[in-house]
Amino acid sequence: EIMLTQSPATLSFSPGERATLSCRASQSVSSYLAWYQQKPGQAPRLLFSDASNRATGIPARFSGSGSGTDFTLTISSLEPEDFAVYYCQQRSNWLLTFGPGTKVDFK
Amino acid sequence: EVQLVQSGAEVKKPGESLRISCQGSGYSFTSYWISWVRQKPGKGLEWMGRIDPDDSYTNYNPSFQGHVTISTDKSIRSAFLQWSSLKASDTAMYYCARQQAGNGDFDYWGQGTLVTVS
Repeated sequence: EIMLTQSPATLSFSPGERATLSCRASQSVSSYLAWYQQKPGQAPRLLFSDASNRATGIPARFSGSGSGTDFTLTISSLEPEDFAVYYCQQRSNWLLTFGPGTKVDFK
Repeated sequence: EVQLVQSGAEVKKPGESLRISCQGSGYSFTSYWISWVRQKPGKGLEWMGRIDPDDSYTNYNPSFQGHVTISTDKSIRSAFLQWSSLKASDTAMYYCARQQAGNGDFDYWGQGTLVTVS
């Protein structure tokens, strides 16, 4: 099983700040990594597939990068609606796994 | 418009059986896999398994194998998650999600079904 680590568990920002979230895999997943956003009471929403391919309707302030074992999700200027939990997920192995999530909350 | 609509919330007792559903619309149902994802209260996401609606081939996360069954009825464009004997530890929100065939990412999600076992 490929383990994904997201740390820290919580990051605190003010609107307008830049947020950088990290996801690390226990072994190489090539570029087969996705990012999801989940707001309270809602289903997750796909942000990026294959590390950097922005999903339909995702604003340009979001960007994804990385390959192998280290990946980054960046939000260039936080909007109030961006405060949520963000999960990474790998599909390199048939046994799909998610990271534990990083909560982005208000400072 | 692609939609996955799940059945409503359930309250069950330990030992009871349950089947929840996920109906797809707005796309070719047999061209995409359906996965089920568990989220316990206040916790993260866990992939349970997936099914190919075209041939009903399934893969299960070993952590869930033997405790749940994933099935599909393509004539009604639906996938199902069922338990034969629920435990209190099955209390969670369950999501279905569409997955590109070939182990793709989850591009559309159902609204979730809350299962409470008490």
